Amino acid sequence: KQEVTQIPAALSVPEGENLVLNCSFTDSAIYNLQWFRQDPGKGLTSLLLIQSSQREQTSGRLNASLDKSSGRSTLYIAASQPGDSATYLCAVRTYYGGATNKLIFGTGTLLAVQP
Amino acid sequence: NAGVMQNPRHLVRRRGQEARLRCSPMKGHSHVYWYRQLPEEGLKFMVYLQKENIIDESGMPKERFSAEFPKEGPSILRIQQVVRGDSAAYFCASSPSGHRGSDTGELFFGEGSRLTVL
Repeated sequence: KQEVTQIPAALSVPEGENLVLNCSFTDSAIYNLQWFRQDPGKGLTSLLLIQSSQREQTSGRLNASLDKSSGRSTLYIAASQPGDSATYLCAVRTYYGGATNKLIFGTGTLLAVQP
Repeated sequence: NAGVMQNPRHLVRRRGQEARLRCSPMKGHSHVYWYRQLPEEGLKFMVYLQKENIIDESGMPKERFSAEFPKEGPSILRIQQVVRGDSAAYFCASSPSGHRGSDTGELFFGEGSRLTVL
């Protein structure tokens, strides 16, 4: 059974700092991994999608890496801003020949960027 | 191209009533997933549907909950005889296909339906 864990559960940093959020998963047979952002009371915004064959993806100040063999992914946020404050969720999608394709979510990291 | 549309955004029900949540996937998407987010908890998978088929309902409670995705119209998550513990945010996601090689595998989420049971 796939389990996804995120560390730390909460993080507070001053504006401008670079930071890393961690995600680990127990079953390396994944199809892809997605990082999401969730603002309070809102839906999920997809940030980055990494396919199982890829090592990293970049979008603006965000960079996500994937090490499938060790069951780890990191989300790197450069030059953090107060607007980055949100909960960040990691989710893995496991492919079993089309029978099931659900995303399994991590517990999330609550990020607060102090002005 | 409109995103995943969920309604109602907020729903209040008294214990024992029924709740119906609707989800219209993105245009061209034929796969729908329902997730539940309890207060202070993560998102938990409930059910995965394709048109007229339930593919995986391993996350659905055994009683009172049902889901459908008819040939025409939105997907419906139905909760009968609601209890206070059903109060949560219910999120719907869609994807174009579930098969490797025919899509990126990215899921797109709606804004959610927040159910409050009094």
